[in-house]
Amino acid sequence: GAVVSQHPSWVICKSGTSVKIECRSLDFQATTMFWYRQFPKQSLMLMATSNEGSKATYEQGVEKDKFLINHASLTLSTLTVTSAHPEDSSFYICSARDNRASTEAFFGQGTRLTVV
Amino acid sequence: SQKIEQNSEALNIQEGKTATLTCNYTNYSPAYLQWYRQDPGRGPVFLLLIRENEKEKRKERLKVTFDTTLKQSLFHITASQPADSATYLCAPLNTGFQKLVFGTGTRLLVSP
Repeated sequence: GAVVSQHPSWVICKSGTSVKIECRSLDFQATTMFWYRQFPKQSLMLMATSNEGSKATYEQGVEKDKFLINHASLTLSTLTVTSAHPEDSSFYICSARDNRASTEAFFGQGTRLTVV
Repeated sequence: SQKIEQNSEALNIQEGKTATLTCNYTNYSPAYLQWYRQDPGRGPVFLLLIRENEKEKRKERLKVTFDTTLKQSLFHITASQPADSATYLCAPLNTGFQKLVFGTGTRLLVSP
């Protein structure tokens, strides 16, 4: 299957700093990317959906100024957690899909963010 | 509001038995329903998709049913193995597939 590479796999940052997470589709064009957050023993919560070249659509309750999503190319999307706080510590996962080819979505390995 | 419900309690079964997981949804009119598997600390992996006009879909030891009247999908793993232990997630999809939203997930534990 198609490969989605997410980087970094884990990161520790100080409270108040910003962290950028990258999500790349390696062998297909990701027309749509999804960003999720997952707390321990809970399901994935969709944060936002982004289509290449367009602004992301955020789910209710997700602060768009805090979680900046950029999907400038068909192979790369980034999520920046700005002014991170300990409550932002979570597992962040991206997913990518080529709308023209398939309904299947491919997931990255996830990023474990710890804010201290 | 839209809801996707799966058994939140873990399902414990013995190796060799059939595991059946349930996905119920409300305020959706899905054109498709997908099932994914997630292992701890990893991203989900796609397993199966079933369309609204399909009653049943099979792939090796997996079988999915889709009842749009009951607004329910059942996911079966036959001849289960310890390696099948994971969390299984369902995702109903509307036509156009703008969003991929998951149910709460059901953890399956297959003991030898």
